[in-house]
Amino acid sequence: NAGVMQNPRHLVRRRGQEARLRCSPMKGHSHVYWYRQLPEEGLKFMVYLQKENIIDESGMPKERFSAEFPKEGPSILRIQQVVRGDSAAYFCASSRAPGETQYFGPGTRLLVL
Amino acid sequence: AQTVTQSQPEMSVQEAETVTLSCTYDTSESDYYLFWYKQPPSRQMILVIRQEAYKQQNATENRFSVNFQKAAKSFSLKISDSQLGDAAMYFCAYRDITQGGSEKLVFGKGTKLTVNP
Repeated sequence: NAGVMQNPRHLVRRRGQEARLRCSPMKGHSHVYWYRQLPEEGLKFMVYLQKENIIDESGMPKERFSAEFPKEGPSILRIQQVVRGDSAAYFCASSRAPGETQYFGPGTRLLVL
Repeated sequence: AQTVTQSQPEMSVQEAETVTLSCTYDTSESDYYLFWYKQPPSRQMILVIRQEAYKQQNATENRFSVNFQKAAKSFSLKISDSQLGDAAMYFCAYRDITQGGSEKLVFGKGTKLTVNP
């Protein structure tokens, strides 16, 4: 059983570029969650998606950040016009259903130069 | 809003000894989940143990056990017979359980555990 897959594992961008982070949930899981971990901090919730729907985006910054989980393919977290403060580890988790345990991917480390 | 506090930024333990990591939380809900996640140097988040608030019995997973004190809103993790592979950051997390409630995990800032040989 493959776990949650994230790619790329490491991503370097210059200020003003776009970053696209991908997450493939575990087989049989249709609920995806994105979290951000700043250096020396715990994880902070960003967004919760089901297939083709955003259920809770209360943790998403109002500008430059967007997320989708299309009917086919991975979930995408997109950051436009990146700034140095976006440098962080971005984790994706998935669950089979609401209320069930969330299993995490290995994370994507984004570095903005 | 729910909050999770881990008051110990760092802890250390001798190999084969026992260590307890502290966690307190704040919520107005009566039913919820609590978790401990481990983050080794690889940065992968690994679920260690899970506790449902409505269960009085403390959860146990091999060498890992919790002391859940609902009235005190305390959820500590005990690691027995510590091994070098237990060295990691440990995060306490909270999640609502009510139907229609938030699915988000709320994390503490973590405790860095060092295991000395």
